[in-house]
Amino acid sequence: SQTIHQWPATLVQPVGSPLSLECTVEGTSNPNLYWYRQAAGRGLQLLFYSVGIGQISSEVPQNLSASRPQDRQFILSSKKLLLSDSGFYLCAWSVPGQLGYEQYFGPGTRLTVT
Amino acid sequence: GQNIDQPTEMTATEGAIVQINCTYQTSGFNGLFWYQQHAGEAPTFLSYNVLDGLEEKGRFSSFLSRSKGYSYLLLKELQMKDSASYLCAVRPLVRLSGGYQKVTFGIGTKLQVIP
Repeated sequence: SQTIHQWPATLVQPVGSPLSLECTVEGTSNPNLYWYRQAAGRGLQLLFYSVGIGQISSEVPQNLSASRPQDRQFILSSKKLLLSDSGFYLCAWSVPGQLGYEQYFGPGTRLTVT
Repeated sequence: GQNIDQPTEMTATEGAIVQINCTYQTSGFNGLFWYQQHAGEAPTFLSYNVLDGLEEKGRFSSFLSRSKGYSYLLLKELQMKDSASYLCAVRPLVRLSGGYQKVTFGIGTKLQVIP
């Protein structure tokens, strides 16, 4: 069966510091991968998605970036965090060839920027 | 663009039936999802409707009317563990430049089940 991991679970970072969140998927090959942010009182906001190694599509122009160095690894980064970057960050995967179908979410990282 | 409307909060009694409505406006429609999200946790997939009608999965059923831009999630025999937010999400026909038919999520309906 497939599992998806995210770490860390919680993170408190000062404004201007860098960020690196990691997501890995087990039990499937070439999954579609997604990064979302969920702010309080708002819906899930798609940040990035990827259909394969090195293939990243950005949805929201901001100070975040994503990389997919391996088939089942997806990393979200920032060089300098803003207060507005606080939120619940969720990684998700969907079945290869089914981009946009049901997505399976990781446990999430709760980020607080102070 | 896409717009999704759901009630913000609902309360229902254990053992009862509750219906959570979702209306959407979208430039082309290609499917509607329901997800369950317990507080502080990740969303989990419940259902996916593409065609009109009712689909039943145990205690949960989802209905879709494409002509009305309307869906509902029906929860029967409510249990305390059903207290959660229920997210409606729509998949459009239009593809982004990377080929993705971007799924848009509603804010969710927070359901509280009381004894």
